[in-house]
Amino acid sequence: AQSVTQLGSHVSVSEGALVLLRCNYSSSVPPYLFWYVQYPNQGLQLLLKYTSAATLVKGINGFEAEFKKSETSIHLTKPSAHMSDAAEYFCAVSDRSGNTGKLIFGQGTTLQVKP
Amino acid sequence: NAGVTQTPKFHILKIGQSMTLQCTQDMNHNYMYWYRQDPGMGLKLIYYSVGAGITDKGEVPNGYNVSRSTTEDFPLRLELAAPSQTSVYFCATRQGTDTQYFGPGTRLTVL
Repeated sequence: AQSVTQLGSHVSVSEGALVLLRCNYSSSVPPYLFWYVQYPNQGLQLLLKYTSAATLVKGINGFEAEFKKSETSIHLTKPSAHMSDAAEYFCAVSDRSGNTGKLIFGQGTTLQVKP
Repeated sequence: NAGVTQTPKFHILKIGQSMTLQCTQDMNHNYMYWYRQDPGMGLKLIYYSVGAGITDKGEVPNGYNVSRSTTEDFPLRLELAAPSQTSVYFCATRQGTDTQYFGPGTRLTVL
């Protein structure tokens, strides 16, 4: 069965600093992996997705993620944090058995950006 | 093109009451999902549907029911509300690319 673990429920960075949000997964088949962002009182918005093409995936708002099969990880990075990046971030893996498209989510990481 | 819409945005329900959370999409997507989000727990799948007339249980279906009579609508029914069902509920759709598109959510409190 697939599972997702996000390391750190809360991450705090200064504006302009590197953002690194960690995600490890387990999957018995080549995974499809996703990062979603949730701004306060809103729904989830797709940041990026990995579907077994290039290992470095570029997303929206300057975010990118590197898929590392040997480490079963897909950490999310952004070179320079902006105040508007403050939100909750979710990593998810797609359950590819049976073509149901179900997503298994990590518990989320809240990103705080300090001025 | 409104995408995925959910009503109501907020609701307070008394223990034992029933209600239906509405989800409508205008993207003609076959797949639809209901999740609940609790603090520190991520999102858990309640029910899903792969097309009109077909529904199946997710990870946490107890206390809920769904129907899918049309492609557009996927209502979630709570029959006997309990405090444990206090949560934020999200509806999502998908078509082909594994990407799911989420609605804005319904914040439900059961007192």
